[in-house]
Amino acid sequence: AQSVTQLGSHVSVSEGALVLLRCNYSSSVPPYLFWYVQYPNQGLQLLLKYTTGATLVKGINGFEAEFKKSETSFHLTKPSAHMSDAAEYFCAVSKTGTASKLTFGTGTRLQVTL
Amino acid sequence: EAGVVQSPRYKIIEKKQPVAFWCNPISGHNTLYWYRQNLGQGPELLIRYENEEAVDDSQLPKDRFSAERLKGVDSTLKIQPAELGDSAVYLCASSFDRRTTDTQYFGPGTRLTVL
Repeated sequence: AQSVTQLGSHVSVSEGALVLLRCNYSSSVPPYLFWYVQYPNQGLQLLLKYTTGATLVKGINGFEAEFKKSETSFHLTKPSAHMSDAAEYFCAVSKTGTASKLTFGTGTRLQVTL
Repeated sequence: EAGVVQSPRYKIIEKKQPVAFWCNPISGHNTLYWYRQNLGQGPELLIRYENEEAVDDSQLPKDRFSAERLKGVDSTLKIQPAELGDSAVYLCASSFDRRTTDTQYFGPGTRLTVL
């Protein structure tokens, strides 16, 4: 079975500072990994995903994540936070080669301050 | 292009009452998902449809929950009777097909409050 652990339910950064949201996964087979963002009263929107190939994945809104198999991690980063980045972020995992069945983490709420 | 549409956006009912949620996926998307998101948690899959067929309903509490996807387009999720613990946001998502690499597009959800 796959699982995801997101370290830190709340993260606060200053505008312009580095954003780092942590995600560790557990999977008995090579995983596919995803980051979604959820703005208040909206559905989830895909930021980026790792399936195969390059381990550094670039997504929308300047976010990127790196798949590190040795560390079972898929941390999300953005060099410079913007006020509009304030939202809930979810890491998710699915099993390679199976039909879509995402297992989500509990989420990290990002707060951006002036 | 319109996204995934859900209605109603909010619903407040008393326990033991029935409730239904409606979802219209993105046009052309064959796979449809219903998730439940409890407060402070990530979404959890309830049921997945491929066209009209429910291919994964292992997490659906079948004693009180039911779902249908007539003609492989719109879908309805029903709870009867509702319990206090059913208070959550119910999310609908769709994807072009069932491959894991296909992006799931989520609707805004229906926030259910059971009193």
